[in-house]
Amino acid sequence: DTAVSQTPKYLVTQMGNDKSIKCEQNLGHDTMYWYKQDSKKFLKIMFSYNNKELIINETVPNRFSPKSPDKAHLNLHINSLELGDSAVYFCASSQDSVRGQFFGPGTRLTVL
Amino acid sequence: GNSVTQMEGPVTLSEEAFLTINCTYTATGYPSLFWYVQYPGEGLQLLLKATKADDKGSNKGFEATYRKETTSFHLEKGSVQVSDSAVYFCALSLNTGFQKLVFGTGTRLLVSP
Repeated sequence: DTAVSQTPKYLVTQMGNDKSIKCEQNLGHDTMYWYKQDSKKFLKIMFSYNNKELIINETVPNRFSPKSPDKAHLNLHINSLELGDSAVYFCASSQDSVRGQFFGPGTRLTVL
Repeated sequence: GNSVTQMEGPVTLSEEAFLTINCTYTATGYPSLFWYVQYPGEGLQLLLKATKADDKGSNKGFEATYRKETTSFHLEKGSVQVSDSAVYFCALSLNTGFQKLVFGTGTRLLVSP
């Protein structure tokens, strides 16, 4: 029973393409997140949604557009991919700030 | 602003050695504190947490105590195993407003037999 799942696990694409990453959680949490982990393993928040509403947008280029069709899903669409977008993208969910966030397995995006 | 500082890695130990990974934080308000672990090729797993001063989080032999006076949350384990080799992230989350995690830079632990 996977708590937070992401697809695809690996994504290799050319510069300029548009791609999407999907995330689903079956924990019943109200809040979902996207984080980016760079090549040095540094993790940074990108977006957060609470009950389908965007609540955090951390100065991410507008080529990145999150969409939350319901509170169990948070997808990430990226337009006009650039070399610098290569990273591992993690989805996470939480119910509150004290119990911590639960992470998906990550999507490794490689832009050629 | 809110930030987390971790010791630089890698930390290289022999099996059964004692582990300490230092973590200090700066926060406006009173955060919850977390340690996450990332095994090679995997996502992040919540290892332990503490939500208020003097709380001790523990799991799988790892411990960390929330020290408000020194703004620290150091991770310790009495006897490491090869299977503990991973990257360890210290993080904080404010208990008010929205709950984003602020991570440290991660510390890689390498345990040899």
